[in-house]
Amino acid sequence: DAGVIQSPRHEVTEMGQEVTLRCKPISGHDYLFWYRQTMMRGLELLIYFNNNVPIDDSGMPEDRFSAKMPNASFSTLKIQPSEPRDSAVYFCASSLGGWVSPLHFGNGTRLTVT
Amino acid sequence: AQSVTQLDSHVSVSEGTPVLLRCNYSSSYSPSLFWYVQHPNKGLQLLLKYTSAATLVKGINGFEAEFKKSETSFHLTKPSAHMSDAAEYFCVVSDLGGGADGLTFGKGTHLIIQP
Repeated sequence: DAGVIQSPRHEVTEMGQEVTLRCKPISGHDYLFWYRQTMMRGLELLIYFNNNVPIDDSGMPEDRFSAKMPNASFSTLKIQPSEPRDSAVYFCASSLGGWVSPLHFGNGTRLTVT
Repeated sequence: AQSVTQLDSHVSVSEGTPVLLRCNYSSSYSPSLFWYVQHPNKGLQLLLKYTSAATLVKGINGFEAEFKKSETSFHLTKPSAHMSDAAEYFCVVSDLGGGADGLTFGKGTHLIIQP
């Protein structure tokens, strides 16, 4: 298995632009998580899905952030409009069975907003 | 509510010497506990997992951790450090209660290996 695949690996954009991050989870996994990692705040859970349905988006910082999972093999995290404080590494992870199961992380997307 | 405290933000050891990364947790339920490792520019990778079976858990790359309920600890150890062990290590607790707080990450310990 290729593992969790995220694209792009790096994204540099200007403030105000729309940014879309993509994730392909491991086939057969029923949970998908979006995390954000910064030096100041560590790892933060943004949103998670179970069987393609968003379960909890309370970690999404503001309405500028949205996430979708149109099918079991694809998810997107969109930021519109982007701001410099959104600069971080965004990770997608998937698991089989939820919280007590190991999470499999992608290699992340490093987002820089100038 | 659950929480996890990694007692050291940085640990430095010489190659070939033992590694000890300390983790204390609090949990209202029977917790599942994990250690993850993150190498530079990579995602987190599972090292090992405790889920109420044997209290001494063996993981990948020679790491192991011991669950001590009386001390609410889950310290990570390795008998002999290798240069490739240099990375960030995260202790993670999960209550069976689940939900948005179902998984709590520690702030991480940066392991430095001196040649």
